[in-house]
Amino acid sequence: AQSVSQHNHHVILSEAASLELGCNYSYGGTVNLFWYVQYPGQHLQLLLKYFSGDPLVKGIKGFEAEFIKSKFSFNLRKPSVQWSDTAEYFCAVNARYGGATNKLIFGTGTLLAVQP
Amino acid sequence: GAVVSQHPSRVICKSGTSVKIECRSLDFQATTMFWYRQFPKQSLMLMATSNEGSKATYEQGVEKDKFLINHASLTLSTLTVTSAHPEDSSFYICSARREGFYNEQFFGPGTRLTVL
Repeated sequence: AQSVSQHNHHVILSEAASLELGCNYSYGGTVNLFWYVQYPGQHLQLLLKYFSGDPLVKGIKGFEAEFIKSKFSFNLRKPSVQWSDTAEYFCAVNARYGGATNKLIFGTGTLLAVQP
Repeated sequence: GAVVSQHPSRVICKSGTSVKIECRSLDFQATTMFWYRQFPKQSLMLMATSNEGSKATYEQGVEKDKFLINHASLTLSTLTVTSAHPEDSSFYICSARREGFYNEQFFGPGTRLTVL
């Protein structure tokens, strides 16, 4: 069965620190990869996604992620976090079987707290 | 664009009653919507895929007679929790797949269900 692992459950950083959140998935075929963010009291929003092409994808708010196929990883990075980045971050994988498939498998989430 | 709403945002009900939750895509049509359940400090678990004009597809372990899904139009899916029990208390989130936005889902704000 497919699964998504986020190893960091709770991360605390000071403003201007660099961020890297790990995400690994288990599936040997073609995948689409996503990072979603959920700010306090708000709904899930898409940060960035990878479908194909350049494995380094850039998203909103200065976030980026790198797809490393050999490591089954899709880590999220930001060089300098802000207090407003305090939120929960979810990695998700959509495994493609032949044609398109819609099922998203989510990781357990990483709660990021940025201290001013 | 690509806004998804849910109603109600919060509901408290007595054990044994049924609760209906609505999910609407406000500015786009969605032939496919999804219902997730999120437990505290856990990830989103896909419950079922709601297909407009046809029966929903339930994930393993989800009781289709307990969680009734109706996708009667291209902008509305409903989830009815029948004969609710305290263990059904959870955060229910829907998402909608927008045609042309390959495999990208847009999420609603969620509904907090508390069964007394």
